[in-house]
Amino acid sequence: DVKVTQSSRYLVKRTGEKVFLECVQDMDHENMFWYRQDPGLGLRLIYFSYDVKMKEKGDIPEGYSVSREKKERFSLILESASTNQTSMYLCASSFTDMAKNIQYFGAGTRLSVL
Amino acid sequence: AQSVTQPDIHITVSEGASLELRCNYSYGATPYLFWYVQSPGQGLQLLLKYFSGDTLVQGIKGFEAEFKRSQSSFNLRKPSVHWSDAAEYFCAVGASGTYKYIFGTGTRLKVLA
Repeated sequence: DVKVTQSSRYLVKRTGEKVFLECVQDMDHENMFWYRQDPGLGLRLIYFSYDVKMKEKGDIPEGYSVSREKKERFSLILESASTNQTSMYLCASSFTDMAKNIQYFGAGTRLSVL
Repeated sequence: AQSVTQPDIHITVSEGASLELRCNYSYGATPYLFWYVQSPGQGLQLLLKYFSGDTLVQGIKGFEAEFKRSQSSFNLRKPSVHWSDAAEYFCAVGASGTYKYIFGTGTRLKVLA
């Protein structure tokens, strides 16, 4: 089975802190994604990466950065957390081959910024 | 631009009743289509997908969906709902040539005993 693991299920941080959300996948997927999920807004793409050290902005990249130093690991960074970044964050991964273009999701990290 | 609409925010059905969740998309070519389910506090699990071929696709947990090109729809159905089906359901569209999906805003299903 595909496994996408997010390091924390729940996080509580203070305004202004630097926050790291970690995601690891074990299926040798080329693509990895970070989404934000808010009630009534569905999932919105923050960033995605199609290869090591490669990244592309999604729909809502402001206030976030990412890092992909190894193929299996994709980190989301909040440089200075703000209360409007309180949300559920979901990581996903997929193959590059379009015939296998299925995204597999982690369990999510619920972040509260106080 | 691509878009996905799930017109029903909440749906309540009785256990054993049939279910249909609606999904409409906007895309110029034939899209890749997906339905995911999210149980409370969990990530998204793939229920089924449509890439090409037979327009009626079967998924896990007894779900099926039908791609109707003329109506730009990909509605999810189940003949008899179980209490464990209570969850949030997301429709997603992937465009040929891109790895990105566009998600609908979700439909929350409540099942009455």
